[in-house]
Amino acid sequence: SQELEQSPQSLIVQEGKNLTINCTSSKTLYGLYWYKQKYGEGLIFLMMLQKGGEEKSHEKITAKLDEKKQQSSLHITASQPSHAGIYLCGADAVFGDAGGTSYGKLTFGQGTILTVHP
Amino acid sequence: DAGVTQSPTHLIKTRGQQVTLRCSPKSGHDTVSWYQQALGQGPQFIFQYYEEEERQRGNFPDRFSGHQFPNYSSELNVNALLLGDSALYLCASSPGLAFEQYFGPGTRLTVT
Repeated sequence: SQELEQSPQSLIVQEGKNLTINCTSSKTLYGLYWYKQKYGEGLIFLMMLQKGGEEKSHEKITAKLDEKKQQSSLHITASQPSHAGIYLCGADAVFGDAGGTSYGKLTFGQGTILTVHP
Repeated sequence: DAGVTQSPTHLIKTRGQQVTLRCSPKSGHDTVSWYQQALGQGPQFIFQYYEEEERQRGNFPDRFSGHQFPNYSSELNVNALLLGDSALYLCASSPGLAFEQYFGPGTRLTVT
């Protein structure tokens, strides 16, 4: 089975600082998802990456998938207290170049807890 | 446009009892997946429903069962509850099997 390792497990930064969260897989990632979760609440979809070398941005958050499709990073620029929460990477259990489909059996990393001090 | 909704929000049950959790998918979505999230861990996939059939299943015992209705809503049933079943249960929906999943707020189940 696929395992996803996230690093760091927790991160405390001062408001305005940049930060990066990494997600590493032991196998080739087919679909890689980033979600944000407030403690005890549901997951908020951030971005989905599928192609090697793909990069997507939304507001101050940028996610990248490396060429080998085994590692993804989430970068936040000029962090704000509203960015605080738990960031989770998830991947489809389908591997290989299967024509761009995702089957939705997501495996998640353990999460990275982000604290942003004003 | 309502997102994914789940009920109830919180639930307390006793060991050995049975529980039913409910999920209404986002408008336009026909696929529902269920996840269990223990404290401090990432969500674990339980199963997925599409066209009223269970399409995929994670590593969960038969005590966990589900159903999808013609209006795409879904139920998760857990029989013979154990203390270890205490968790946040998340429902996610998508417009088919091949698209990103949108999660509901979850149901917090406590088994005493």
